[in-house]
Amino acid sequence: AQSVTQLGSHVSVSEGALVLLRCNYSSSVPPYLFWYVQYPNQGLQLLLKYTSAATLVKGINGFEAEFKKSETSFHLTKPSAHMSDAAEYFCASDSGGYNKLIFGAGTRLAVHP
Amino acid sequence: DAGVIQSPRHEVTEMGQEVTLRCKPISGHNSLFWYRQTMMRGLELLIYFNNNVPIDDSGMPEDRFSAKMPNASFSTLKIQPSEPRDSAVYFCASSPGSNQPQHFGDGTRLSIL
Repeated sequence: AQSVTQLGSHVSVSEGALVLLRCNYSSSVPPYLFWYVQYPNQGLQLLLKYTSAATLVKGINGFEAEFKKSETSFHLTKPSAHMSDAAEYFCASDSGGYNKLIFGAGTRLAVHP
Repeated sequence: DAGVIQSPRHEVTEMGQEVTLRCKPISGHNSLFWYRQTMMRGLELLIYFNNNVPIDDSGMPEDRFSAKMPNASFSTLKIQPSEPRDSAVYFCASSPGSNQPQHFGDGTRLSIL
């Protein structure tokens, strides 16, 4: 069965530091992959998506993710964290039909001054 | 463009009462999803529809929960009778098709006293 694993339920960085949120997937076929962000008291918003066109995907708010098939990973990065990046981030993979997504457990990002 | 619209945003009711949550998906989207989010269990898929037909309801916790989609622009999630353990944030999401990202509403925060 397909699954998505996010390493680290909580990540804390200093403002201006590199953000790295880890995501690994398991899939027997090349998946479609997504990163979502959830701010407090809001729904999930799409940050970026991988659809096999390019391995490095750029998203909104300066985030990007790199698809590495050999490592079955799709880690999310941002060169310089901003206080407004504090939120929960979810990695998700398609399930091969009907657009059902498999979500990871989420990583809560804290940014401190 | 109007996003996914959920109502009400907040609902507080007493145990045993019937609760109805409503969702209007984005026009033209043919898939609709109901999720529940809690601190303990994270984001759970309850049920999803494709072209108004329920495809997978295996995530519905028990018979007290039911969902309908009478037409392409409206869906309901009903809990009858409600219990305190049903307290959670319920999200509705819609998608235009296979391998496309899901668009989430702002959720309904449900508190059962």
